[in-house]
Amino acid sequence: DVKVTQSSRYLVKRTGEKVFLECVQDMDHENMFWYRQDPGLGLRLIYFSYDVKMKEKGDIPEGYSVSREKKERFSLILESASTNQTSMYLCASGDSFPLSGELFFGEGSRLTVL
Amino acid sequence: QQQVKQSPQSLIVQKGGISIINCAYENTAFDYFPWYQQFPGKGPALLIAIRPDVSEKKEGRFTISFNKSAKQFSLHIMDSQPGDSATYFCAARKNTGTASKLTFGTGTRLQVTL
Repeated sequence: DVKVTQSSRYLVKRTGEKVFLECVQDMDHENMFWYRQDPGLGLRLIYFSYDVKMKEKGDIPEGYSVSREKKERFSLILESASTNQTSMYLCASGDSFPLSGELFFGEGSRLTVL
Repeated sequence: QQQVKQSPQSLIVQKGGISIINCAYENTAFDYFPWYQQFPGKGPALLIAIRPDVSEKKEGRFTISFNKSAKQFSLHIMDSQPGDSATYFCAARKNTGTASKLTFGTGTRLQVTL
């Protein structure tokens, strides 16, 4: 079974803190993604990576950065957390186009910023 | 700007009934249209998908209907069961050249009652 593991299921941070969300996949996928999920807004793409050390902005990259030093690991970084970044964060991985359109998601990291 | 519009936001269906969720898109560059199912506390998982050269795809009780000229597609769940209670997301894929990006709808929370 494909597994995408997000290291923290629940986090509570204070405004201004630096936050790291870690994601590891075990399927040797080229592509990895970070989405945030908010009620009524669906899943919105923050950043994605199509290769080690390669990244592209998604639809809502402001306030976030990412790091992909190894193929299996993709980190989302909030340099200075703000209350409007309170959300559910979902990591996903998938094969390169045109092999498959399927994304495999982790179980999510629920971040609360106080 | 919501590139994939999904309705309704929530849906209550009696056991044995038909659940219908609709999506519409604008971008003709989308080339693949999956539906994801998400249970509470879990990440979304691929349910069924369709390519635009096909008007209908059926897998068990789940059917996607696709209308390319209207740029609409829908998910039908026949003989809905309480175990189908979940949030459903439609999505559309675009190949950026470096990776395939999925754009998601806002989600439909389905509740199937006894």
